[in-house]
Amino acid sequence: DAKTTQPTSMDCAEGRAANLPCNHSTISGNEYVYWYRQIHSQGPQYIIHGLKNNETNEMASLIITEDRKSSTLILPHATLRDTAVYYCIVRARDPFSGGYNKLIFGAGTRLAVHP
Amino acid sequence: DAGVIQSPRHEVTEMGQEVTLRCKPISGHNSLFWYRQTMMRGLELLIYFNNNVPIDDSGMPEDRFSAKMPNASFSTLKIQPSEPRDSAVYFCASSLQGQGAVNTEAFFGQGTRLTVV
Repeated sequence: DAKTTQPTSMDCAEGRAANLPCNHSTISGNEYVYWYRQIHSQGPQYIIHGLKNNETNEMASLIITEDRKSSTLILPHATLRDTAVYYCIVRARDPFSGGYNKLIFGAGTRLAVHP
Repeated sequence: DAGVIQSPRHEVTEMGQEVTLRCKPISGHNSLFWYRQTMMRGLELLIYFNNNVPIDDSGMPEDRFSAKMPNASFSTLKIQPSEPRDSAVYFCASSLQGQGAVNTEAFFGQGTRLTVV
């Protein structure tokens, strides 16, 4: 699976949008972009994933560039509870089983939301 | 569903002792993953199962570590003998994989914090 690059840390004011970037310049055609987050002392939590179209759910939006070499996770109105480490993961789909390859976590971005 | 359930939540043991960590995946899920997290190395995938069969155990650090999945609702990770460097938080995760699966994201348990003294 392709490697991802994320900033080590970011700050965001409560109520503002948090935009977390991720570079995946070596991504291939069958690889999806996944985002997870880990709040202190908890297990990682799935946020969103996409292939090439922008995606939105109740937690966040995912913007993927047209060349798919980078993406941005957007938390539209960050709260203090969004303080966590955010992981961007590129994951291939197995053409035989239809499932996804294993999740490999990098160092992630430590997002601090402050009042 | 109660989610992925891991036990115990905390384990303190002496070096040389056997340690067994337990995981109950979400009912209906057919893939199970064991991860280890430390400050130095982050989240590392140790092993994952699909339909109770180990698919990839390349992350298992050494022969002291072993994992089993005797049925679809239970898995264990055993360390024997344990060493202080095994101290970490161990996470279990499960997901539904396969053709036609609607939701394939992995759901994680709360983890087991292991301390080997």
